[in-house]
Amino acid sequence: EAQVTQNPRYLITVTGKKLTVTCSQNMNHEYMSWYRQDPGLGLRQIYYSMNVEVTDKGDVPEGYKVSRKEKRNFPLILESPSPNQTSLYFCASRDDATNEKLFFGSGTQLSVL
Amino acid sequence: SQKIEQNSEALNIQEGKTATLTCNYTNYSPAYLQWYRQDPGRGPVFLLLIRENEKEKRKERLKVTFDTTLKQSLFHITASQPADSATYLCAPTSGTYKYIFGTGTRLKVLA
Repeated sequence: EAQVTQNPRYLITVTGKKLTVTCSQNMNHEYMSWYRQDPGLGLRQIYYSMNVEVTDKGDVPEGYKVSRKEKRNFPLILESPSPNQTSLYFCASRDDATNEKLFFGSGTQLSVL
Repeated sequence: SQKIEQNSEALNIQEGKTATLTCNYTNYSPAYLQWYRQDPGRGPVFLLLIRENEKEKRKERLKVTFDTTLKQSLFHITASQPADSATYLCAPTSGTYKYIFGTGTRLKVLA
């Protein structure tokens, strides 16, 4: 089954403790991206990757890092999480055939205390 | 700056009626516009895409219009069902890599 898999589904951590949210897709898509979703603000793009070793900033990249060492994986790294990074995070990959339609993961609910 | 507006208030309609959701955008010219459905606690799911040179597109009970003069897209669900209850997001897209989404409209179809 074609899917984007994120882990963990829920994460509670404390300020300053480094964490990584993993994202993996099995569709061999070149493009992947990360979003955060907050009430009243909608989905905002954090980072995206056009292909292996190629990444760029979205609209809200501050406090986040990404890496793309393999085509299928695109982890999101929070080096020193802060409470304002408490949010619902989504990873997505894009259909290469059309370069348009996004496939989203099920989300990671992060709470930073 | 680029801005997208969707009805922030929930839309309640009776089963069987047509639901119409609005997406307005300002300060850019999208090449195409996508609509996604999102259920609580889940990731958005792609529904439809309409290009700037298309006026209307249909898929089963769904219809999308795109008016580049008004800078607006309308999303219609005909013969609505309680299972259509969800939040619907629009994403007018002008570039190749960056995506901007509206905040979504929550639709509730009453049985």
